[in-house]
Amino acid sequence: AQTVTQSQPEMSVQEAETVTLSCTYDTSENNYYLFWYKQPPSRQMILVIRQEAYKQQNATENRFSVNFQKAAKSFSLKISDSQLGDTAMYFCAFPGAGGGADGLTFGKGTHLIIQP
Amino acid sequence: DTAVSQTPKYLVTQMGNDKSIKCEQNLGHDTMYWYKQDSKKFLKIMFSYNNKELIINETVPNRFSPKSPDKAHLNLHINSLELGDSAVYFCASSRGGASNQPQHFGDGTRLSIL
Repeated sequence: AQTVTQSQPEMSVQEAETVTLSCTYDTSENNYYLFWYKQPPSRQMILVIRQEAYKQQNATENRFSVNFQKAAKSFSLKISDSQLGDTAMYFCAFPGAGGGADGLTFGKGTHLIIQP
Repeated sequence: DTAVSQTPKYLVTQMGNDKSIKCEQNLGHDTMYWYKQDSKKFLKIMFSYNNKELIINETVPNRFSPKSPDKAHLNLHINSLELGDSAVYFCASSRGGASNQPQHFGDGTRLSIL
């Protein structure tokens, strides 16, 4: 079974700092995708970034980037120049064994607090 | 334009009642999902449908019955509600069942059982 582990239940940093959220996963698949979702207090689930496992280059989206280590099955999210609006729950997610139609397996989330 | 919309946003009801949550997507996606988020924020897949056909049912009690009248709709009916059903329920959709396609989520329905 696929598992996703986020080992940091909560993190707090000052505005403008850089923060890294960790995620490890377990799978027997070779080609797959990984996702980070953000859930602000408004409860919406917002896609932050995705990574294709067969691409060596780490994905980036503006201030958000990943450090993907396939051999170590690690998929961390780096947020640069953090802003107050980044305060949210962040979830690492992985498609099920049957592909996307099986739904996503989520980690337990990291509550990120950006302090002014 | 709302991509994935769920109604109602909040639902407060008594134990033992039957209730439904509706979900509609206007993205042209053919795969839709229901997730449950518990009080500790843990998200777990409940059901997925592809082209109106059930793909997975993740050990959900049979009091929960999803219904997909067409590709754009996936409703969730819950019979004999129990205290443990209190949670936020999210509908989502994606293009096909490919693992590279991100899922688009509705805003969630907070269900509270008294």
